[in-house]
Amino acid sequence: EDQVTQSPEALRLQEGESSSLNCSYTVSGLRGLFWYRQDPGKGPEFLFTLYSAGEEKEKERLKATLTKKESFLHITAPKPEDSATYLCAVQERGSQGNLIFGKGTKLSVKP
Amino acid sequence: DTEVTQTPKHLVMGMTNKKSLKCEQHMGHRAMYWYKQKAKKPPELMFVYSYEKLSINESVPSRFSPECPNSSLLNLHLHALQPEDSALYLCASSQGQGSGTEAFFGQGTRLTVV
Repeated sequence: EDQVTQSPEALRLQEGESSSLNCSYTVSGLRGLFWYRQDPGKGPEFLFTLYSAGEEKEKERLKATLTKKESFLHITAPKPEDSATYLCAVQERGSQGNLIFGKGTKLSVKP
Repeated sequence: DTEVTQTPKHLVMGMTNKKSLKCEQHMGHRAMYWYKQKAKKPPELMFVYSYEKLSINESVPSRFSPECPNSSLLNLHLHALQPEDSALYLCASSQGQGSGTEAFFGQGTRLTVV
């Protein structure tokens, strides 16, 4: 059973059409939840860290929220340059800092 | 500066070759990681170094040999690889244990084994 599940696998939006990506997790003790953006052939680019339920972080058109079992990445009025794969990862309490990744959501924004 | 630098960007090697991947960070981070990423898959952890000591080896075959010469450098030595080892190899660093701190990734080395 996957510990981190992302949905949908792929999402196609028109420019300006807001939506949300979901990340659910089943780890026993969460130290932190992380969102990354990855462009093809590149390394993941850090976006947000969330530590506790109720926490929210914002950056430009992106807003990340966290509950006890899931996180959402809200994209408001997306632009074509927001097209990428968005990865969610969790860090378990007591770990060595390593990340457990979900399979990602591939976002395409059409002009 | 949140930069992790990996070299080379691309590498093509034969199954009998020996090569090394290099990773460098100057953020004062004390934990460094190697991840492997196959096409259309998420990164998978290979090794964790904490304070220059190997703390996790995720049952990686011995043809992959990590080395951490100092707190800023991380190498991955490759020998007798198989074609299925072709992937994007990612290095990352973080502040280390004790808090849920974010990991910063390099741009990766695209490895092709022929």
